[in-house]
Amino acid sequence: QVQLQESGPGLFKPSETLTLTCTVFSGSVTTHYWSWLRQPPGDRLEWIAYIDHSGDTNYNPSLKSRTTISLDTSKNQFSLRLNSMTATDTAMYYCARLFRAVQPPAITYHYFDLWGPGTLVTVSS
Amino acid sequence: DIVMTQSPLSLPVTPGEPASISCRSSQSLLRTNGYNYLDWYLQRPGQSPQVLIYLGSIRASGVPDRFSGSGSGTDFTLRISRVEAEDVGVYYCMQAQQAPRTFGQGTKVEIK
Repeated sequence: QVQLQESGPGLFKPSETLTLTCTVFSGSVTTHYWSWLRQPPGDRLEWIAYIDHSGDTNYNPSLKSRTTISLDTSKNQFSLRLNSMTATDTAMYYCARLFRAVQPPAITYHYFDLWGPGTLVTVSS
Repeated sequence: DIVMTQSPLSLPVTPGEPASISCRSSQSLLRTNGYNYLDWYLQRPGQSPQVLIYLGSIRASGVPDRFSGSGSGTDFTLRISRVEAEDVGVYYCMQAQQAPRTFGQGTKVEIK
């Protein structure tokens, strides 16, 4: 059974750079698309970025200038880098898998079918 | 960005009774292929979100058939035919019609 696990520091000062890693257990990052999402306290979920198995990426425009998502197939991991953090980046960060469903007549659709438990990131001076 | 608006934000429910949650999008989620690009997710207390419904009405693998999704265009509904205790949590709709994917603010379902 495939499982995801986020890892990384939990406390940052303003202007610092966040780096989180998601390890894929009992599966391979060379299949599926992989994504990062976050949820600020008391607020709705926000999609950050995704990367596919070939390394192609897609970012939320609101975060694109500060964000990098990358894939490390040798470690079976994918990572998120977010620079110039502020208090508004305080959130629970989730990694997730995008499952490729095919519906007639050959419509391809991706939805988030597997999530990590999440890791709390706090930005405070 | 497409804005997703859910109602109600809080829903007390009685086990065994039906329940429904509404989700409205600021733009149509219906594509020319006939599918609505909308998902429903449930986040149980202390857990990560899990998918219930994708493409507006298709139950994801392993999801009980008491959950159903309906609607088209800009108005959608998630229905639970008979609420069970394990259904408590926060329900989110999410649009995948246009990047970036955006979520509703969530509907908290709790037992009366």
